[in-house]
Amino acid sequence: QKEVEQDPGPLSVPEGAIVSLNCTYSNSAFQYFMWYRQYSRKGPELLMYTYSSGNKEDGRFTAQVDKSSKYISLFIRDSQPSDSATYLCAMRYSGAGSYQLTFGKGTKLSVIP
Amino acid sequence: KAGVTQTPRYLIKTRGQQVTLSCSPISGHRSVSWYQQTPGQGLQFLFEYFSETQRNKGNFPGRFSGRQFSNSRSEMNVSTLELGDSALYLCASSALGTSGNYEQYFGPGTRLTVT
Repeated sequence: QKEVEQDPGPLSVPEGAIVSLNCTYSNSAFQYFMWYRQYSRKGPELLMYTYSSGNKEDGRFTAQVDKSSKYISLFIRDSQPSDSATYLCAMRYSGAGSYQLTFGKGTKLSVIP
Repeated sequence: KAGVTQTPRYLIKTRGQQVTLSCSPISGHRSVSWYQQTPGQGLQFLFEYFSETQRNKGNFPGRFSGRQFSNSRSEMNVSTLELGDSALYLCASSALGTSGNYEQYFGPGTRLTVT
């Protein structure tokens, strides 16, 4: 079992739809959870950075973390064609003398006008 | 504020050679991290530098090394190149923003092709 699982898609939705992107993980030591957006031929862009379970909202984006289920989600409200990109989840833990940052493989999203 | 810059943008090398990639972080950012992105393995963390010291390291062989200079610019070196090292190499600079939020910005990457 991979440490971080993310459905690669592709996911195609109509403009204005609510998009739900998800990742599951197996390592309960992960403490920090991130979502990145990557446009074609560009570097990733950090969208959301969360530490604890619960929800974090930023504009049209909501990140949700459920540590008990080892499941994180990114919701995009009122999706726009400009949201078409690959979305990557990432998780990190750090402790005395150790550090691990692991990414999902990414979900390719297309928002159709 | 200028973004993260990486040079060169594209590079073609032969197996067995070595390569050095450069990254200039956003002004004021002291943390620089490096990543490898391939279609098969996705995005993988290589290492992170803070104030000229390697703070964290991913699971890559010793052929991959890096350093950071006093002006926070960083270089990454890969020795004895293998075909499997062909990838997009990304660097990112990060810091705590004025509001206390974590900020991280990636550069456009260096596309390395090993033949």
